[in-house]
Amino acid sequence: QKEVEQNSGPLSVPEGAIASLNCTYSDRGSQSFFWYRQYSGKSPELIMSIYSNGDKEDGRFTAQLNKASQYVSLLIRDSQPSDSATYLCAVRGGSGTYKYIFGTGTRLKVLA
Amino acid sequence: GAGVSQSPSNKVTEKGKDVELRCDPISGHTALYWYRQSLGQGLEFLIYFQGNSAPDKSGLPSDRFSAERTGGSVSTLTIQRTQQEDSAVYLCASSLIYTEAFFGQGTRLTVV
Repeated sequence: QKEVEQNSGPLSVPEGAIASLNCTYSDRGSQSFFWYRQYSGKSPELIMSIYSNGDKEDGRFTAQLNKASQYVSLLIRDSQPSDSATYLCAVRGGSGTYKYIFGTGTRLKVLA
Repeated sequence: GAGVSQSPSNKVTEKGKDVELRCDPISGHTALYWYRQSLGQGLEFLIYFQGNSAPDKSGLPSDRFSAERTGGSVSTLTIQRTQQEDSAVYLCASSLIYTEAFFGQGTRLTVV
């Protein structure tokens, strides 16, 4: 079982729709959770961090965390073609470590 | 500086040569991370520094890889006797402890 699992996609949504990206993690001791966006040929860019159960909203983005289910999600409202990228889920702090463990990413395509 | 700075941006080297990759973290960030991303792949953890110490170097693929950090700031990743499978983008990130990590633009290493 991978430590952080994401569907590789591509996930295709029409412009203006809600994109829903999901991530599960295996280490129940994980403390911190992050979503990064990576455009092709570029480095990862932080979108959201979430540390406690529930929802956290920032503009068009909402991160959701459910530690009991070991599940993190990212919702993108009013998706735009410029949101087309790979979205990486990262988990930190499990098993006494400070390193970030990344999923392999979900490729999102927003269709104009 | 304002962001994480990596140099060089691109490096082409001959098989068997040594290379040094440099990372200048965000000022004041005590934690520094090196990751590697091969074409179309996820982020592979290499090493984590807290200050000048490396409490987790579990991701270094072989003893050809080493890294150091001096003055709690700049870090250098050294690859000795480079092989073609070392070709990848090497990413550096920095963070305050317990918070989000920010990535540099990466160094694209090509071993020919």
